[in-house]
Amino acid sequence: DTGVSQDPRHKITKRGQNVTFRCDPISEHNRLYWYRQTLGQGPEFLTYFQNEAQLEKSRLLSDRFSAERPKGSFSTLEIQRTEQGDSAMYLCASRRDRGTDTQYFGPGTRLTVL
Amino acid sequence: AQKVTQAQTEISVVEKEDVTLDCVYETRDTTYYLFWYKQPPSGELVFLIRRNSFDEQNEISGRYSWNFQKSTSSFNFTITASQVVDSAVYFCALISNSGYALNFGKGTSLLVTP
Repeated sequence: DTGVSQDPRHKITKRGQNVTFRCDPISEHNRLYWYRQTLGQGPEFLTYFQNEAQLEKSRLLSDRFSAERPKGSFSTLEIQRTEQGDSAMYLCASRRDRGTDTQYFGPGTRLTVL
Repeated sequence: AQKVTQAQTEISVVEKEDVTLDCVYETRDTTYYLFWYKQPPSGELVFLIRRNSFDEQNEISGRYSWNFQKSTSSFNFTITASQVVDSAVYFCALISNSGYALNFGKGTSLLVTP
């Protein structure tokens, strides 16, 4: 299988700008997850999709964050009016829709908000 | 509530030494899954192992071995004859059978020097 891919790998933006990240899961993986990782911490759950349905959202996902998976394949995560506190690594993971199968992660998008 | 504790923030060893990374977890669920992931400097989380709560058999994969003990709620990871390429941050994670998100520890940064 081709692994999970994310684009871009790095993004530098100025405070107040909007940014959008893309995640392409492993083919045939119905479930897709977004996590955020700040320096020195483990990844923290943001949201997840089963096919195109967004089933859960963390309280970390403020109103400035929105995620979509319109056709049940790739997903986008948009952050509006970025703040310096949004600087982090944004990780995407996918897994089969089978029990509690293993989540496989992409390389992440590192966001720096100046 | 679920919690994963990795008490060792940083470990430094010399090549060929054995090293054990500790992981202690808390959960009220009877069915759950434990994972170890490796995060090299490139940032991608690499899956290493998955263990369910009903399987306490220790596992060995090459230089890697895992010791799961439900009595002490621990899932420790040992690298035998460490190599420089083992340098990375290692994360322990937990998910319940009814859950959707991985709960990660804060990670242990392992540095192997020649």
